[in-house]
Amino acid sequence: EVQLVESGGGLVQPGGSLRLSCAASGFTFSSHSMNWIRQAPGKGLEWLSYISSDSINIHYADSVKGRFTISRDNAKNSLYLQMSSLRAEDTAVYTCASGRQFADYWGRGTLVTVSS
Amino acid sequence: QSALTQPASVSGSAGQSITMSCTGTSSDVVSSFKYVSWYQHHPGKAPKVMVHEVNNRPSGISSRFSGSKSGTTASLTISGLQAEDEADYYCSSYINNNLVFGGGTRLTVL
Repeated sequence: EVQLVESGGGLVQPGGSLRLSCAASGFTFSSHSMNWIRQAPGKGLEWLSYISSDSINIHYADSVKGRFTISRDNAKNSLYLQMSSLRAEDTAVYTCASGRQFADYWGRGTLVTVSS
Repeated sequence: QSALTQPASVSGSAGQSITMSCTGTSSDVVSSFKYVSWYQHHPGKAPKVMVHEVNNRPSGISSRFSGSKSGTTASLTISGLQAEDEADYYCSSYINNNLVFGGGTRLTVL
């Protein structure tokens, strides 16, 4: 069974940093592109970042470019999102998902709250 | 404002069919419609892809779900509505190396 489990969320002050992790199992992680996607309270889905299976190709949404960094460790079947300069509007459930042209496997997400 | 526009809500009675739309707002969006996908999201659960690349269903997805596109609009049709279909549905397309999502449509099964 495919599983994607996010962790690392929590309460952080504005301007602070946080590192999210996504543990993958049940599929060949090293062969799949991965994404981070978020959903703010009462809002829709927002794609944030993409990383190819070999980490060569990386893309970011304009809303997080320069503040967030995506990375992966294929040996650990893990995806990461380093978030810095966090703002109140970054408050959301952050979810990892595999795929490129579409997201085929999704996690349930981890909640990040940016507040003083 | 998203490049993909969805109605905020649709509703239908159990057993009936409904169609929800996803309209592209620019030429590059419309040209990317070959990559349109649809996701079902029950709050608190992981979203699930129901249709990808316009009209392809992943293994395990009911044939009650079907996708299509015409001009600047992609559509998801759900036939034989069931109570468990009540959820939020998002369309998405792959545009300029980005996954772009529509604002979502809440489906209510009456």
